[in-house]
Amino acid sequence: KQEVTQIPAALSVPEGENLVLNCSFTDSAIYNLQWFRQDPGKGLTSLLLIQSSQREQTSGRLNASLDKSSGRSTLYIAASQPGDSATYLCAPSVLGKLTFGTGTRLQVTL
Amino acid sequence: EAGVVQSPRYKIIEKKQPVAFWCNPISGHNTLYWYRQNLGQGPELLIRYENEEAVDDSQLPKDRFSAERLKGVDSTLKIQPAELGDSAVYLCASSPPLPRGHPGELFFGEGSRLTVL
Repeated sequence: KQEVTQIPAALSVPEGENLVLNCSFTDSAIYNLQWFRQDPGKGLTSLLLIQSSQREQTSGRLNASLDKSSGRSTLYIAASQPGDSATYLCAPSVLGKLTFGTGTRLQVTL
Repeated sequence: EAGVVQSPRYKIIEKKQPVAFWCNPISGHNTLYWYRQNLGQGPELLIRYENEEAVDDSQLPKDRFSAERLKGVDSTLKIQPAELGDSAVYLCASSPPLPRGHPGELFFGEGSRLTVL
């Protein structure tokens, strides 16, 4: 059974800082991995999808890396802004099934 | 392009009452998912459909939960009777078709928040 761990559970940073969110998973036979953002009381918004054959994927200020063999992915956020405040979840996919971590709750302060 | 539409957004019921949630996926997305999310947790899969077929319902509590996707488009998730522990957010997601049943990028609806009193 896939187990997904996200560290840290919560993070508070001042505006402008670069930051790294970590995701680890126990079953490395993944097909792809997605990073999502969730605002309070809302659904999940897809940020990045990395195929198992890729090492990283970029979208704007976001960069996600994947080390499949070690069961790790990181989400790098550059020049953080207050609007980045949300919970970030990762979800690796194995045999068509996504397993979510409990997320990292990020607060970016002015 | 319209996103995944869910209704109702909020529902408050007393225990032992029935409740139903509806989801309309993005047009052209043949894969539809129902997830349950408890406070402070990540979503957990209840059921996954490929077109009309439920390909993974191993996590669906079949004694009280049922789901259908009759024409391979919209879907309904039902709970009967509801219990206190069913209070959660029920999320629907859809994804476009990929080879061999692997999921593409998932798009989520806003969710249906259920409170059971």
